[in-house]
Amino acid sequence: DAGVIQSPRHEVTEMGQEVTLRCKPISGHDYLFWYRQTMMRGLELLIYFNNNVPIDDSGMPEDRFSAKMPNASFSTLKIQPSEPRDSAVYFCASSLRGGPGDTQYFGPGTRLTVL
Amino acid sequence: QQQVKQSPQSLIVQKGGISIINCAYENTAFDYFPWYQQFPGKGPALLIAIRPDVSEKKEGRFTISFNKSAKQFSLHIMDSQPGDSATYFCAASPGGYQKVTFGIGTKLQVIP
Repeated sequence: DAGVIQSPRHEVTEMGQEVTLRCKPISGHDYLFWYRQTMMRGLELLIYFNNNVPIDDSGMPEDRFSAKMPNASFSTLKIQPSEPRDSAVYFCASSLRGGPGDTQYFGPGTRLTVL
Repeated sequence: QQQVKQSPQSLIVQKGGISIINCAYENTAFDYFPWYQQFPGKGPALLIAIRPDVSEKKEGRFTISFNKSAKQFSLHIMDSQPGDSATYFCAASPGGYQKVTFGIGTKLQVIP
């Protein structure tokens, strides 16, 4: 398996622009997670899906952030409009089933820079 | 609030030495405690994990020690090697629930 695939790997944009990050989870995994990593706050869970349905979006910082999972093999995280404070590395992860002990497999991340 | 507190944030250890990273948690509902390892430019990867029904778990050079009453757990890396240089995250999640809370991370550098 190719693992979790994220695109783009790097994104540089200007403040106010729309940014869309993409993720393809490992085939057969029921859970998909979006995380944000910054030096100040570490790894933060933004939202996660079970069988394409959003379960917990309490980590989404504000209404400028939205996430969708139209099918089992694709998810997007959109920021509109983007701001410099959104600059971070965004990770997508997937796991086979719910419950503790189920390993989350992370993608390589998308490094977002908002100028 | 920071539900999982991790220290130190950076650590330098000589090759062959023992690296120790400590974490403490507040939420008594947590019952699964994984450690993740992250190399530069990569996503975190599961290293080792423990449940509170055991006080210690060892996998090769990596050992988790767990103190349920103190709500603390730690990662020990024995015979540390330069290839262990990475950022390590402790984490915790409640039973039957996928929401994992991560510590701030510890950047480990093992020098020859």
